Amino acid sequence: DADVTQTPRNRITKTGKRIMLECSQTKGHDRMYWYRQDPGLGLRLIYYSFDVKDINKGEISDGYSVSRQAQAKFSLSLESAIPNQTALYFCATRTFWEAFFGQGTRLTVV
Amino acid sequence: DQQVKQNSPSLSVQEGRISILNCDYTNSMFDYFLWYKKYPAEGPTFLISISSIKDKNEDGRFTVFLNKSAKHLSLHIVPSQPGDSAVYFCAASISSNQFYFGTGTSLTVIP
Repeated sequence: DADVTQTPRNRITKTGKRIMLECSQTKGHDRMYWYRQDPGLGLRLIYYSFDVKDINKGEISDGYSVSRQAQAKFSLSLESAIPNQTALYFCATRTFWEAFFGQGTRLTVV
Repeated sequence: DQQVKQNSPSLSVQEGRISILNCDYTNSMFDYFLWYKKYPAEGPTFLISISSIKDKNEDGRFTVFLNKSAKHLSLHIVPSQPGDSAVYFCAASISSNQFYFGTGTSLTVIP
């Protein structure tokens, strides 16, 4: 079983729809992150959480929201999806020394 | 503003030769640097790291060099193998805050 699990792996949704991407981890880490990857732009941080009560915006948080339901679960929501949110989304946890990534969710907004 | 930059989007190297991937950063407060490797349809996986108190770290075929005065780090892969073909991201952080990632370099090792 993967240490960081993302669901769904692929999703196609329509403009204006609400969608939630889920992430769960078995590593017991407090810190969890959501990134998106776009061609030529690398990995950009959307939101991060240091514990259940500590949620922080990253560099590109507009249009997104998150929920940290438990230490192991961190969900990313798009309240009203738009086409430029089409991207590959990664959830990650980290220790001081390294980050551990999920396998990614490919989201397409049509 | 991109704080971590990888100026070469792609690199091709013959099998057995050295691959050198470069990364530049702008924030002198960064004290920890990492390299990640990413295959298609998979999440990035950790490769090697270096603390700012060092200028070199080696792990098997992989060596990372840090030049703090130039705000530059590089990853050397010797010898390069076809299985090394992937996208490589460098990342930097200040203490245990978030990682800032570069834009990635796609390495192709030609058999």
